[in-house]
Amino acid sequence: DIQMTQSPSSLSASVGDRVTITCRAGQSVSTYLNWYQQKPGKAPKLLIYAASSLQSGVPSRFSGSGSGTDFTLTISSLQPEDFAIYYCQQSYSFPSFGQGTKLEIK
Amino acid sequence: EVQLVESGGGLEQPGGSLRLSCAASGFTFSSYEMNWVRQAPGKGLEWVSYISSSGSTIYYKDSVKGRFTISRDNAKNSLYLQMNSLRAEDTAVYYCARENASGKNFDYWGQGTLVTVSS
Repeated sequence: DIQMTQSPSSLSASVGDRVTITCRAGQSVSTYLNWYQQKPGKAPKLLIYAASSLQSGVPSRFSGSGSGTDFTLTISSLQPEDFAIYYCQQSYSFPSFGQGTKLEIK
Repeated sequence: EVQLVESGGGLEQPGGSLRLSCAASGFTFSSYEMNWVRQAPGKGLEWVSYISSSGSTIYYKDSVKGRFTISRDNAKNSLYLQMNSLRAEDTAVYYCARENASGKNFDYWGQGTLVTVSS
């Protein structure tokens, strides 16, 4: 299994802030890296696929970058509805997820 | 509109069995690979099993091999997970998730069904 490690595990930020979440893979996953958002009691929602492609319908303030082992998810200007848990997931081999980053309101 | 609706969860004793179902609509089910992903209470996401569009290729997480069986009925637009020899550590919300045809990602998810294994 490919280990995925996200940092930070939690993050406090304010509306309008620029936020970056990092995901590191235990081995190269090329650009087979996806990002999801999950709100309490809801299913995860795909935000970014193939490291940097924006899923249809997702606001352009979300962006992703990286390749190999190091990836980032950036939210350019936080909105109230963005406070949630974010997960990275590799699809290079059997899928595995990071432990999640909880984004909270400061 | 793509919809995935899981059912079949509930409370089961250790060693017992449950069969989860996922009813798909709004897309050509037979053209898509499908997965089960679970989430233990308060924990992160964990992939459980994969099935190809035809059902000919199947994969499992190591900890469920030999206990869980994934299957699908393309005529009924349905995905299944037969869960036997249940353990306390199988307690989780189970989601069915559609695998995007080109991106190897999970682009649509059901609302989940809770499985609780406890005596």
